[in-house]
Amino acid sequence: DTAVSQTPKYLVTQMGNDKSIKCEQNLGHDTMYWYKQDSKKFLKIMFSYNNKELIINETVPNRFSPKSPDKAHLNLHINSLELGDSAVYFCASSRTGSTSGNTIYFGEGSWLTVV
Amino acid sequence: DQQVKQNSPSLSVQEGRISILNCDYTNSMFDYFLWYKKYPAEGPTFLISISSIKDKNEDGRFTVFLNKSAKHLSLHIVPSQPGDSAVYFCAATAQLSGYALNFGKGTSLLVTP
Repeated sequence: DTAVSQTPKYLVTQMGNDKSIKCEQNLGHDTMYWYKQDSKKFLKIMFSYNNKELIINETVPNRFSPKSPDKAHLNLHINSLELGDSAVYFCASSRTGSTSGNTIYFGEGSWLTVV
Repeated sequence: DQQVKQNSPSLSVQEGRISILNCDYTNSMFDYFLWYKKYPAEGPTFLISISSIKDKNEDGRFTVFLNKSAKHLSLHIVPSQPGDSAVYFCAATAQLSGYALNFGKGTSLLVTP
């Protein structure tokens, strides 16, 4: 069983399109994240949701809209895609308040290519 | 503004020897540090972590050392194995930031037979 699963794994789309990446975790975690790894390999936080509420929103264009229908899901919708949106998007989840610290588990990534 | 820095983009080590991966950070509010391992076309997988109240944490072949005064941590892998070849990301987080991870750029480790 995949703990954090995201779909699709690969997505090639044209500029201007709207696309969504879905993420689900079966770990019982209460916090979910979206990270972006750009062409320079930097991994950066985009959003964080705790119990379906947005708690972190880094400087991300408002074309990116996360949606959390429940604690186990955090989907990423992107409007009017641009060439610079091409990257690998990682979904992740964690359990806050853990005595062992806050260990974040990642999905396998979604490779988005905008042409 | 990189708050977590891994200044060695790559490292090559012979099988059986020790691998030492280094990481520096600038934010004194960080209170938890993690190392992630990443294979190509896969997501980062958690390897080992350390709280800021400790200076060492060991798990099998992996040991993480934390020097808070120097804002430096390191990951030791002993003995190194070819299967350890991957990109290693250092990450730091703070409770005040909602535990979002701040990653370094990664160090690509190659363990040769």
